[in-house]
Amino acid sequence: QQQVKQSPQSLIVQKGGISIINCAYENTAFDYFPWYQQFPGKGPALLIAIRPDVSEKKEGRFTISFNKSAKQFSLHIMDSQPGDSATYFCAASKVTGSSNTGKLIFGQGTTLQVKP
Amino acid sequence: DTEVTQTPKHLVMGMTNKKSLKCEQHMGHRAMYWYKQKAKKPPELMFVYSYEKLSINESVPSRFSPECPNSSLLNLHLHALQPEDSALYLCASSQVWGTNTEAFFGQGTRLTVV
Repeated sequence: QQQVKQSPQSLIVQKGGISIINCAYENTAFDYFPWYQQFPGKGPALLIAIRPDVSEKKEGRFTISFNKSAKQFSLHIMDSQPGDSATYFCAASKVTGSSNTGKLIFGQGTTLQVKP
Repeated sequence: DTEVTQTPKHLVMGMTNKKSLKCEQHMGHRAMYWYKQKAKKPPELMFVYSYEKLSINESVPSRFSPECPNSSLLNLHLHALQPEDSALYLCASSQVWGTNTEAFFGQGTRLTVV
């Protein structure tokens, strides 16, 4: 019930292409879905986040699509660049209501390589 | 400023040593977290502090002892660790849960237990 499943495990994309990473969750109580980007030896950096009352959120080249009925959300990276090569983690959390904890449940991560 | 500062960046310690990891944030966040991350794995929550009080302990062994001296500081005291405890230890902070709850991570402390 607490799991977040992420796919694919690794992804290779040509420069200028679109990178798509998918996540699925089980717990319908989750109400906050962030994506983190992590470079080797660094901490995760918050990239973009969405709440379930919105179906899509775009920030620059990064877009989250959210399907509440399917309990799925995805990250799209448009015009992918070699500098985007990193590990991406989706996550889910319950941040409102009486039983919230602030605990982030992470997906297993996707290693993205963007080839020049 | 969205910075969470962790010290030291690297730490090598023997199994009989006592050491401490430190974390500091000045964003006014009242929730602070310790996560452990093994290579090629996602971060795993260890502890959560809310308003300087321990609110979640994810069944972490007692050789890890957290402390929150004030609203800006978080420590993790280490004692009698095992080699399998070697990992990247991440501190994070956020507003206490609500509508503006982005969690910001520090750069981590790379811990090696020998």
